Amino acid sequence: DIQMTQSPSTLSASVGDRVTITCRASQSISSWLAWYQQKPGIAPKLLIYEASTLESGVPSSFSGSGSGTEFTLTISSLQPDDFATYHCQQYKNGWTFGQGTKVEIK
Amino acid sequence: QITLKESGPTLVKPTQTLTLTCTFSGFSLSTRAVDVAWIRQPPGKAPEWLALIRGNDDEIYSPSLKTRLTITKDTSRSQVVLTMTNMDPVDTATYFCAHRLTLRGLDYWGQGTPVTVSS
Repeated sequence: DIQMTQSPSTLSASVGDRVTITCRASQSISSWLAWYQQKPGIAPKLLIYEASTLESGVPSSFSGSGSGTEFTLTISSLQPDDFATYHCQQYKNGWTFGQGTKVEIK
Repeated sequence: QITLKESGPTLVKPTQTLTLTCTFSGFSLSTRAVDVAWIRQPPGKAPEWLALIRGNDDEIYSPSLKTRLTITKDTSRSQVVLTMTNMDPVDTATYFCAHRLTLRGLDYWGQGTPVTVSS
């Protein structure tokens, strides 16, 4: 099984901050990676797929990069609506989610 | 407009079989490039993928749960059904179904249905 490890687990930040979340795969997944945002009690929302392709309707403040085993999600300027938990998910071989990164208010 | 909605029991007893139904609209699951997946999320934990069915009838299962899962589709009723056998309290979670275009992420999700396993 491919394991996905996110860091950090929790991130404290302020509105306007630039935020970067890292996701590492236990083996190469090429660019078969998606990022999701999730708020309590609500289903995850797709932000990015194929490592760097922005889903329609997602603000351009979100961006993704990486390939192989290391990937990043960047929020260029954190907005109040962005405080949430973020999950990466590989879909190279089966599907595996990372454990999540909670972005909280500093 | 694509929508999905999960339905099924909220409480099952240990060893029982869980049957969940995903009723969808706004797309056809007879198109090769369309998938429907089931994902669960225990309270306070990360999502876990369970199974996927494709428009071409391919079925893919989580290796760790494969022996307990069956996914089927009824294209005429726009439904996908997941059965999970031998339920255990550790299977307590919110169960989601979701839509995907092949090689992309899960772009439309149902609201989720909570399932508790307890005697």
